[in-house]
Amino acid sequence: EVQLVESGGGLVQPGRSMKLSCAASGFTFNNYDMAWVCQAPKKGLEWVATISYDGSSTYYRDSVKGRFTISRDNAKSTLYLQMDSLRSEDTATYYCARSDGYPFFDYWGQGVMVTVSS
Amino acid sequence: DIQMTQSPSSMSASLGDTVTITCLASQDIGNYLSWYQQKPGKSPKLMIYGATNLEDGVPSRFSGSRSGSDYSLTINSLGYDDEGIYHCHQYYEYPLTFGSGTKLEIK
Repeated sequence: EVQLVESGGGLVQPGRSMKLSCAASGFTFNNYDMAWVCQAPKKGLEWVATISYDGSSTYYRDSVKGRFTISRDNAKSTLYLQMDSLRSEDTATYYCARSDGYPFFDYWGQGVMVTVSS
Repeated sequence: DIQMTQSPSSMSASLGDTVTITCLASQDIGNYLSWYQQKPGKSPKLMIYGATNLEDGVPSRFSGSRSGSDYSLTINSLGYDDEGIYHCHQYYEYPLTFGSGTKLEIK
């Protein structure tokens, strides 16, 4: 059974950093591109970033370029999102998601809440 | 960026009804469109990919179609379990973008 379990969320002050993790199991992690998708409270889904199966390629939405870094450790079957210079508008639930060949998402984690507030 | 204009934003329908949700792409995305269902407090679930392909395990009451730049999700024989928010998503190019969501309520 495919499982994606996020961790590392919580309350953080504006301008500070936070690192999210997503532990994957039930599939061969290093065969799949992975992504982070967020959802602000009562809002729609927003794609954040994608990393290729081997980590060689990364893609970001403009609003997080230069602040967020997506990475992966295939030996640990874990996906990461390093979030720096956090802003109040980054407040959202962050989902880890798997891409099956094309960049749509066939499995999602349960999500982790990040609140940026002083 | 490709804009996905989703409508309606909310709708209410009765048990057994057929409903259709649409997304209009601001430019050509071919068939690179997926649909997700999201229940309250839960993560999204893939329903349709490639505009018309049903994900494994999704009931055949769900179907996707395309007419030019208009993409539709149709649900036949509505049941209480179909209540939730439905999101369209284009994956033709980065940045990947989603529609604003349609909240479906079953009366």
